[in-house]
Amino acid sequence: KNEVEQSPQNLTAQEGEFITINCSYSVGISALHWLQQHPGGGIVSLFMLSSGKKKHGRLIATINIQEKHSSLHITASHPRDSAVYICAAHFQGAQKLVFGQGTRLTINP
Amino acid sequence: SQTIHQWPATLVQPVGSPLSLECTVEGTSNPNLYWYRQAAGRGLQLLFYSVGIGQISSEVPQNLSASRPQDRQFILSSKKLLLSDSGFYLCAWTQGWTEAFFGQGTRLTVV
Repeated sequence: KNEVEQSPQNLTAQEGEFITINCSYSVGISALHWLQQHPGGGIVSLFMLSSGKKKHGRLIATINIQEKHSSLHITASHPRDSAVYICAAHFQGAQKLVFGQGTRLTINP
Repeated sequence: SQTIHQWPATLVQPVGSPLSLECTVEGTSNPNLYWYRQAAGRGLQLLFYSVGIGQISSEVPQNLSASRPQDRQFILSSKKLLLSDSGFYLCAWTQGWTEAFFGQGTRLTVV
Protein backbone atom coordinates (compact mmCIF):
# COMPACT_ATOMS: atom_id res chain seq x y z
CA LYS A 1 0.00 0.00 0.00
CA ASN A 2 1.26 3.48 -0.84
CA GLU A 3 1.41 5.31 2.46
CA VAL A 4 3.11 8.45 3.71
CA GLU A 5 3.43 9.17 7.43
CA GLN A 6 4.55 12.45 8.96
CA SER A 7 5.61 13.36 12.46
CA PRO A 8 4.91 15.26 14.54
CA GLN A 9 1.34 16.24 13.65
CA ASN A 10 1.69 19.48 15.60
CA LEU A 11 4.82 21.37 16.59
CA THR A 12 5.10 24.56 18.59
CA ALA A 13 8.47 26.23 19.09
CA GLN A 14 10.02 29.55 20.01
CA GLU A 15 11.51 31.89 17.47
CA GLY A 16 15.08 30.94 16.66
CA GLU A 17 14.74 27.23 17.38
CA PHE A 18 15.91 24.54 14.96
CA ILE A 19 12.91 22.65 13.57
CA THR A 20 12.77 19.11 12.20
CA ILE A 21 9.76 17.51 10.53
CA ASN A 22 9.91 13.86 9.53
CA CYS A 23 8.34 11.87 6.71
CA SER A 24 8.35 8.10 6.18
CA TYR A 25 6.93 6.17 3.27
CA SER A 26 5.97 2.57 2.80
CA VAL A 27 7.45 1.45 -0.52
CA GLY A 28 9.81 2.65 -3.21
CA ILE A 29 9.31 6.14 -4.55
CA SER A 30 10.55 8.05 -7.55
CA ALA A 31 10.54 11.46 -5.86
CA LEU A 32 9.38 13.19 -2.70
CA HIS A 33 8.06 16.73 -2.38
CA TRP A 34 8.01 19.03 0.60
CA LEU A 35 5.17 21.53 0.45
CA GLN A 36 3.95 24.43 2.52
CA GLN A 37 0.24 25.11 2.99
CA HIS A 38 -0.92 28.50 4.24
CA PRO A 39 -4.15 29.16 6.19
CA GLY A 40 -6.09 29.97 3.02
CA GLY A 41 -5.26 26.53 1.66
CA GLY A 42 -2.85 27.47 -1.12
CA ILE A 43 0.10 25.15 -1.53
CA VAL A 44 3.66 26.17 -2.31
CA SER A 45 6.25 23.65 -3.43
CA LEU A 46 9.44 23.91 -1.36
CA PHE A 47 11.58 21.00 -2.54
CA MET A 48 11.57 17.99 -4.79
CA LEU A 49 14.01 15.25 -3.78
CA SER A 50 15.01 11.96 -5.28
CA SER A 51 18.26 11.59 -3.34
CA GLY A 52 20.62 13.43 -1.01
CA LYS A 53 20.01 16.89 0.32
CA LYS A 54 18.77 20.27 -0.86
CA LYS A 55 19.01 23.70 0.76
CA HIS A 56 17.12 26.90 0.12
CA GLY A 57 17.72 29.76 2.52
CA ARG A 58 16.90 28.53 6.03
CA LEU A 59 15.23 25.37 4.75
CA ILE A 60 17.03 22.07 4.31
CA ALA A 61 15.52 18.83 3.03
CA THR A 62 17.17 15.43 3.17
CA ILE A 63 16.15 12.00 2.00
CA ASN A 64 17.47 8.51 2.79
CA ILE A 65 16.22 6.15 0.10
CA GLN A 66 17.35 2.98 1.92
CA GLU A 67 15.52 3.94 5.11
CA LYS A 68 12.51 5.35 3.23
CA HIS A 69 12.71 8.53 5.25
CA SER A 70 12.96 12.25 4.60
CA SER A 71 13.33 15.26 6.89
CA LEU A 72 12.65 18.96 6.53
CA HIS A 73 14.72 21.25 8.72
CA ILE A 74 14.22 24.94 9.42
CA THR A 75 17.12 26.85 10.93
CA ALA A 76 16.63 30.06 12.95
CA SER A 77 12.86 29.64 12.83
CA HIS A 78 10.67 32.72 12.56
CA PRO A 79 6.94 33.33 13.22
CA ARG A 80 6.41 33.71 9.46
CA ASP A 81 7.43 30.05 9.10
CA SER A 82 4.17 29.10 10.82
CA ALA A 83 2.20 26.97 8.36
CA VAL A 84 1.33 23.37 7.61
CA TYR A 85 4.21 21.43 6.07
CA ILE A 86 3.37 18.43 3.95
CA CYS A 87 5.43 15.72 2.32
CA ALA A 88 4.08 14.09 -0.81
CA ALA A 89 5.52 11.01 -2.51
CA HIS A 90 5.49 9.85 -6.12
CA PHE A 91 5.18 6.08 -5.81
CA GLN A 92 6.94 3.97 -8.40
CA GLY A 93 4.67 2.01 -10.73
CA ALA A 94 1.41 3.26 -9.24
CA GLN A 95 1.82 6.72 -10.81
CA LYS A 96 0.26 8.32 -7.77
CA LEU A 97 1.19 11.40 -5.78
CA VAL A 98 0.21 10.70 -2.17
CA PHE A 99 0.27 13.29 0.60
CA GLY A 100 1.23 12.86 4.23
CA GLN A 101 -1.23 14.19 6.79
CA GLY A 102 0.79 17.35 7.35
CA THR A 103 2.60 18.95 10.29
CA ARG A 104 1.13 22.12 11.75
CA LEU A 105 4.06 24.32 12.79
CA THR A 106 3.61 27.32 15.07
CA ILE A 107 6.56 29.56 15.83
CA ASN A 108 5.99 31.91 18.73
CA PRO A 109 7.85 35.23 18.96
CA SER B 1 4.85 28.52 -18.77
CA GLN B 2 3.30 25.71 -16.79
CA THR B 3 0.21 26.69 -14.84
CA ILE B 4 -2.89 25.16 -13.36
CA HIS B 5 -6.26 26.83 -13.04
CA GLN B 6 -8.87 25.67 -10.58
CA TRP B 7 -12.23 27.30 -9.98
CA PRO B 8 -14.21 28.46 -8.20
CA ALA B 9 -12.17 29.43 -5.14
CA THR B 10 -15.13 29.18 -2.78
CA LEU B 11 -18.52 27.59 -3.16
CA VAL B 12 -21.56 27.24 -0.93
CA GLN B 13 -24.07 24.64 -2.08
CA PRO B 14 -27.22 23.18 -0.51
CA VAL B 15 -27.47 19.51 0.36
CA GLY B 16 -28.75 17.52 -2.60
CA SER B 17 -27.52 19.96 -5.23
CA PRO B 18 -25.07 18.94 -7.99
CA LEU B 19 -21.40 19.86 -8.05
CA SER B 20 -18.91 20.53 -10.80
CA LEU B 21 -15.36 21.68 -10.10
CA GLU B 22 -13.04 22.22 -13.03
CA CYS B 23 -9.29 22.15 -13.30
CA THR B 24 -7.31 22.99 -16.42
CA VAL B 25 -3.60 22.81 -17.07
CA GLU B 26 -1.42 24.87 -19.38
CA GLY B 27 2.09 24.45 -20.66
CA THR B 28 2.25 20.67 -20.79
CA SER B 29 0.73 17.66 -22.49
CA ASN B 30 -0.37 14.29 -21.16
CA PRO B 31 0.05 15.19 -17.49
CA ASN B 32 -1.08 13.01 -14.62
CA LEU B 33 -3.98 14.80 -12.96
CA TYR B 34 -5.22 14.49 -9.38
CA TRP B 35 -8.12 15.54 -7.17
CA TYR B 36 -7.62 15.69 -3.40
CA ARG B 37 -9.94 16.57 -0.53
CA GLN B 38 -9.02 18.01 2.83
CA ALA B 39 -11.63 17.84 5.55
CA ALA B 40 -11.38 20.33 8.42
CA GLY B 41 -8.29 19.60 10.51
CA ARG B 42 -7.26 16.67 8.35
CA GLY B 43 -4.66 15.92 5.69
CA LEU B 44 -5.10 15.91 1.92
CA GLN B 45 -6.68 12.66 0.79
CA LEU B 46 -6.30 11.46 -2.78
CA LEU B 47 -9.73 11.04 -4.36
CA PHE B 48 -9.05 10.44 -8.07
CA TYR B 49 -6.12 10.43 -10.42
CA SER B 50 -5.86 10.17 -14.18
CA VAL B 51 -2.95 9.19 -16.40
CA GLY B 52 -4.76 9.98 -19.68
CA ILE B 53 -7.99 11.04 -21.37
CA GLY B 54 -10.89 8.96 -20.12
CA GLN B 55 -8.69 7.07 -17.64
CA ILE B 56 -9.82 7.62 -14.06
CA SER B 57 -8.68 5.77 -10.94
CA SER B 58 -10.72 6.12 -7.78
CA GLU B 59 -8.99 5.87 -4.45
CA VAL B 60 -11.92 5.89 -2.04
CA PRO B 61 -15.61 5.08 -2.46
CA GLN B 62 -17.65 8.23 -2.14
CA ASN B 63 -20.39 10.44 -3.44
CA LEU B 64 -18.12 11.96 -6.09
CA SER B 65 -16.97 11.15 -9.60
CA ALA B 66 -14.28 12.49 -11.90
CA SER B 67 -13.92 12.84 -15.63
CA ARG B 68 -11.18 13.84 -18.03
CA PRO B 69 -12.83 14.89 -21.28
CA GLN B 70 -9.68 16.53 -22.64
CA ASP B 71 -5.97 16.02 -22.06
CA ARG B 72 -5.61 19.06 -19.84
CA GLN B 73 -9.04 19.19 -18.22
CA PHE B 74 -10.08 17.36 -15.08
CA ILE B 75 -13.57 17.67 -13.61
CA LEU B 76 -14.87 16.63 -10.19
CA SER B 77 -18.61 16.09 -9.98
CA SER B 78 -21.43 15.01 -7.75
CA LYS B 79 -25.07 14.46 -8.58
CA LYS B 80 -26.26 15.14 -5.02
CA LEU B 81 -24.04 16.74 -2.41
CA LEU B 82 -23.94 15.54 1.18
CA LEU B 83 -22.98 17.57 4.24
CA SER B 84 -19.90 15.36 4.55
CA ASP B 85 -18.69 16.54 1.13
CA SER B 86 -17.70 19.88 2.67
CA GLY B 87 -13.98 20.53 2.58
CA PHE B 88 -11.08 21.92 0.65
CA TYR B 89 -10.62 20.40 -2.82
CA LEU B 90 -7.28 20.59 -4.55
CA CYS B 91 -6.32 19.81 -8.11
CA ALA B 92 -2.75 18.90 -8.98
CA TRP B 93 -0.74 17.69 -11.92
CA THR B 94 2.56 15.92 -12.30
CA GLN B 95 4.84 15.52 -15.28
CA GLY B 96 7.01 12.48 -15.14
CA TRP B 97 8.34 11.87 -11.67
CA THR B 98 9.84 15.19 -10.84
CA GLU B 99 7.49 18.09 -11.30
CA ALA B 100 4.28 18.72 -9.40
CA PHE B 101 1.99 21.73 -9.63
CA PHE B 102 -0.97 22.59 -7.45
CA GLY B 103 -4.12 24.62 -7.95
CA GLN B 104 -5.26 27.21 -5.44
CA GLY B 105 -8.04 24.98 -4.21
CA THR B 106 -11.79 25.25 -3.80
CA ARG B 107 -13.35 25.59 -0.39
CA LEU B 108 -16.73 23.88 -0.57
CA THR B 109 -19.35 24.33 2.12
CA VAL B 110 -22.46 22.20 1.88
CA VAL B 111 -25.34 23.66 3.86
